Amino acid sequence: GAGVSQSPRYKVAKRGQDVALRCDPISGHVSLFWYQQALGQGPEFLTYFQNEAQLDKSGLPSDRFFAERPEGSVSTLKIQRTQQEDSAVYLCASSLRDSSGNTIYFGEGSWLTVV
Amino acid sequence: AQSVAQPEDQVNVAEGNPLTVKCTYSVSGNPYLFWYVQYPNRGLQFLLKYITGDNLVKGSYGFEAEFNKSQTSFHLKKPSALVSDSALYFCAVSPFTTGGGNKLTFGTGTQLKVEL
Repeated sequence: GAGVSQSPRYKVAKRGQDVALRCDPISGHVSLFWYQQALGQGPEFLTYFQNEAQLDKSGLPSDRFFAERPEGSVSTLKIQRTQQEDSAVYLCASSLRDSSGNTIYFGEGSWLTVV
Repeated sequence: AQSVAQPEDQVNVAEGNPLTVKCTYSVSGNPYLFWYVQYPNRGLQFLLKYITGDNLVKGSYGFEAEFNKSQTSFHLKKPSALVSDSALYFCAVSPFTTGGGNKLTFGTGTQLKVEL
């Protein structure tokens, strides 16, 4: 596709419910990132893939968060037993190459509200 | 660890006037610096980046940014602001690494408001 595509755009989950957020990166992009953006804040890094390999998951806030990219293209961010503090925008991004300085392109985000 | 500071939560400027949005950074080694813009309920759009070379970088929509190594700054500028430039602006840094990886660290954002 022309850009990074994310779904759903908006999700309301009851506390304790599991959610799955999907990201379809720009075709051919090697690197894929997930960021979390709380209201009024800058994006915070969650995790990063090089093709299908998850090379950095240092930003995942707890073991309730899990991400995968099994075929090196589409990625899913899963949040188990959602809590109110998980309410945020989850941004997916991709870049063509896995090297410093490559431009990272963002999707429009999945807005998660936990009630 | 790298960090970015955007000292102004909000910048107000009259349409037609020049604008500056400030950014300073901290990183080990050579930095790669980026500016993104976010419109309401939208994702981040890439504006420009500094990798190496000329300290003045030109980007989309007439924006430019000046890299100043001694002051560790990368301020965003535009000679003549438009009302449509009103948005949230983020500065980000990525360190140079030989082992691959281009993770960005973002500032907290600056809300730009351009008024008639």
